[in-house]
Amino acid sequence: DQQVKQNSPSLSVQEGRISILNCDYTNSMFDYFLWYKKYPAEGPTFLISISSIKDKNEDGRFTVFLNKSAKHLSLHIVPSQPGDSAVYFCAASAYLIQGAQKLVFGQGTRLTINP
Amino acid sequence: EPEVTQTPSHQVTQMGQEVILRCVPISNHLYFYWYRQILGQKVEFLVSFYNNEISEKSEIFDDQFSVERPDGSNFTLKIRSTKLEDSAMYFCASNPGDQTDNEQFFGPGTRLTVL
Repeated sequence: DQQVKQNSPSLSVQEGRISILNCDYTNSMFDYFLWYKKYPAEGPTFLISISSIKDKNEDGRFTVFLNKSAKHLSLHIVPSQPGDSAVYFCAASAYLIQGAQKLVFGQGTRLTINP
Repeated sequence: EPEVTQTPSHQVTQMGQEVILRCVPISNHLYFYWYRQILGQKVEFLVSFYNNEISEKSEIFDDQFSVERPDGSNFTLKIRSTKLEDSAMYFCASNPGDQTDNEQFFGPGTRLTVL
């Protein structure tokens, strides 16, 4: 199942610079996209989301961009901080019956912020 | 801040044994989910649960799996006869079901090891 793909397994960025994590999807039925951050031995922690009716959503240092025609989204973190080092998962959802969601995850990108 | 909790954090079992993984979702949430992540692989959807019944299940969620909300707070995943390939991190998640708040909140996970 390759409906959501993160093609970069890892990314290394200097502290203070911008981190850009990318995600592609294939299913046009997806209407909501989320980014989660995960530390080892913990569950995914929600970061930021975007609805398919928008092309940008910003929350502090985190901005998510959605390009529906390209079926592509990206997460920008600026400025990057050492505490941002983690695995980042892109996820997409389409509403199921009764309003439940099924999240489809990408493989994750391990982000390392170097001091 | 309310959070999803899961017990145990690590469960070791013999192949063929039954296991029950427990979750306490956030109290005012209406939708509950189980996901799993096999080591080195994606987080995969297993099942969604709403109004005391399964909304959707994946092809992974076969007859060996069942879910239950035995009381007002717990949400359990039972595997009747574990197989080696059931070894994974199992994550419980919940969301309020309010369409203005679509993110799923994940628990810390239970690491299941089948020997």
